[in-house]
Amino acid sequence: DAGVIQSPRHEVTEMGQEVTLRCKPISGHNSLFWYRQTMMRGLELLIYFNNNVPIDDSGMPEDRFSAKMPNASFSTLKIQPSEPRDSAVYFCASSLAGAIYFGEGSWLTVV
Amino acid sequence: RKEVEQDPGPFNVPEGATVAFNCTYSNSASQSFFWYRQDCRKEPKLLMSVYSSGNEDGRFTAQLNRASQYISLLIRDSKLSDSATYLCVVTKNSGNTPLVFGKGTRLSVIA
Repeated sequence: DAGVIQSPRHEVTEMGQEVTLRCKPISGHNSLFWYRQTMMRGLELLIYFNNNVPIDDSGMPEDRFSAKMPNASFSTLKIQPSEPRDSAVYFCASSLAGAIYFGEGSWLTVV
Repeated sequence: RKEVEQDPGPFNVPEGATVAFNCTYSNSASQSFFWYRQDCRKEPKLLMSVYSSGNEDGRFTAQLNRASQYISLLIRDSKLSDSATYLCVVTKNSGNTPLVFGKGTRLSVIA
């Protein structure tokens, strides 16, 4: 079975540009999570959806970040405008109950 | 107090050694507990769930102490392939999700 699929795997962009990260959760999972990981802060939950509805976005750092889940098989995380401090690995994860399963991550560098 | 606290390590142990990691969590309402493993530049992967009665999976044993809000992971007969970062994970509240991750404990098993 396919796991969580994320794209792009790597992105290098200039400060001020819009970045869109994409995620396809595991089929049948009803919860989707976006995490960000940095050396300094570890894994931080940005937002999570349950049955496509955003439940908790308190981890979204500021208005430059937005996330959508238009259907059960697709979600996006958008950063506009991007800043160098947004450089991190962004993981999407999904679950049905209990443990969550991660995609391989999107490695973002903003220069 | 941080939601999940772990000793960052690194723990450097010889092959065949037994090593134990500890973790404390702040939210007494947390209901689900896990250990994840993360290899360098990879996504976190579920190692095992942690049950109140304690549980074992091969060389790995996990224990939960709700009264002390403490979780442990014991690895027996360490292998070189056990070298990774081990993440302690708890639910943020009384539900199953979302999950809050510790910053991890780094293990290096040396030949």
